[in-house]
Amino acid sequence: DVKVTQSSRYLVKRTGEKVFLECVQDMDHENMFWYRQDPGLGLRLIYFSYDVKMKEKGDIPEGYSVSREKKERFSLILESASTNQTSMYLCASSRPGQGRNTEAFFGQGTRLTVV
Amino acid sequence: GQSLEQPSEVTAVEGAIVQINCTYQTSGFYGLSWYQQHDGGAPTFLSYNGLDGLEETGRFSSFLSRSDSYGYLLLQELQMKDSASYFCAVPGNTPLVFGKGTRLSVIA
Repeated sequence: DVKVTQSSRYLVKRTGEKVFLECVQDMDHENMFWYRQDPGLGLRLIYFSYDVKMKEKGDIPEGYSVSREKKERFSLILESASTNQTSMYLCASSRPGQGRNTEAFFGQGTRLTVV
Repeated sequence: GQSLEQPSEVTAVEGAIVQINCTYQTSGFYGLSWYQQHDGGAPTFLSYNGLDGLEETGRFSSFLSRSDSYGYLLLQELQMKDSASYFCAVPGNTPLVFGKGTRLSVIA
């Protein structure tokens, strides 16, 4: 059974803390993504990566950074957490290219609360 | 850039048919995908249209018209468990971009 695993389901952090959200996939996918989901705003892309050590900014990268040292692992870092970063964070992976095989597989999400 | 537009909410009766529309504007287009997300769950893949026309998978069908930059998801014989959010998405050689989602409520 294919799987994308996020390290925490729920997380509570204090304002100003450095926060690490970890994501691991076991499908040998090249592409990995971090999205943020808020009510009424859908899924917004924060960062994505097409390969190891490669990263590209998405639509809302401000306040975030990422790391991809190994193919299977993609980490999202909040350098100094703020209350407006309270949200559901979803990691996904997919194969490159076009067509049906670009189906994205999602982790269960991390609900982060910054207090 | 890319943008996808879909209705924010739809309500339908159990056993009925509902259509969720999606219009898109993209700089490069390879096809349209649909995802389902139940409350508290992760989005899961439903269907993909690479060519114009209708794709059927059980009670769910998806349609694409490239010339109209338009697609839809059709759900037949609605069941209560179909209550969820549905997202259209544009995959391809650019990062996967999603619409804001349509919340479907199935009522008895």
